Amino acid sequence: DVQMTQSPSSLSASVGDSVTITCRASRSVSNYLNWYQQKPGKAPKLLIYAASSVASGVPSRFSGSGSGTDFSLTISSLQPEDFATYFCQQSFTTPAFGQGTKVEIK
Amino acid sequence: EVQLVESGGGLVKAGGSLRLACAASGFTFHNAWMTWVRQAPGKGLEWVGRIKGESDGRTTDYAAPVKGRFTISRDDSKNTVYLQMNSLKTEDTAIYFCSKYDWNDEDHYWFQSWGQGTLVTVSS
Repeated sequence: DVQMTQSPSSLSASVGDSVTITCRASRSVSNYLNWYQQKPGKAPKLLIYAASSVASGVPSRFSGSGSGTDFSLTISSLQPEDFATYFCQQSFTTPAFGQGTKVEIK
Repeated sequence: EVQLVESGGGLVKAGGSLRLACAASGFTFHNAWMTWVRQAPGKGLEWVGRIKGESDGRTTDYAAPVKGRFTISRDDSKNTVYLQMNSLKTEDTAIYFCSKYDWNDEDHYWFQSWGQGTLVTVSS
């Protein structure tokens, strides 16, 4: 099984900041990597698929990059609605999620 | 518009059983791959299992923690997927979400549509 490890587990940032979350796979998953946003009490929302493709309706301030074992999600200018928890998920084999990164207001 | 609506959650004692249902609409259900993902209170997302569509044989696959205890099935005439949970353990306490696989031409898949989730609480 491929294990996914995200860092950091949480971060504090201000509106307007640029933030980057990283995700590392235990072995290469090529670009089979998705990112989700989840707010409390809600289902996850797809942000990025295939490592760098932005899902329909997702603001352009969200971007993804990486391949192989190392990936990142960048939010270029944090908005109030972006404070949430973010998960990566590999789709190279049976799905596996990272443990999540909580983005909090500084 | 894709809609997924879970039902069947509740409180059950350890060792008991529960069946969840996920009613789907807004897409061609019979060939869709469907999945269950759970989230324990305050924890991350955990893939539970999936069932392939009719054209792929409706075969199933499960995560190790639930293999042999949980069974996913589908009734294409009702556009519904089920999760039968037996021999429940306290660590199965979670919100259970259903979702569908979406694909591109390069065989990437992702989970774009999700239900609202249904809470399963297993007491000791």
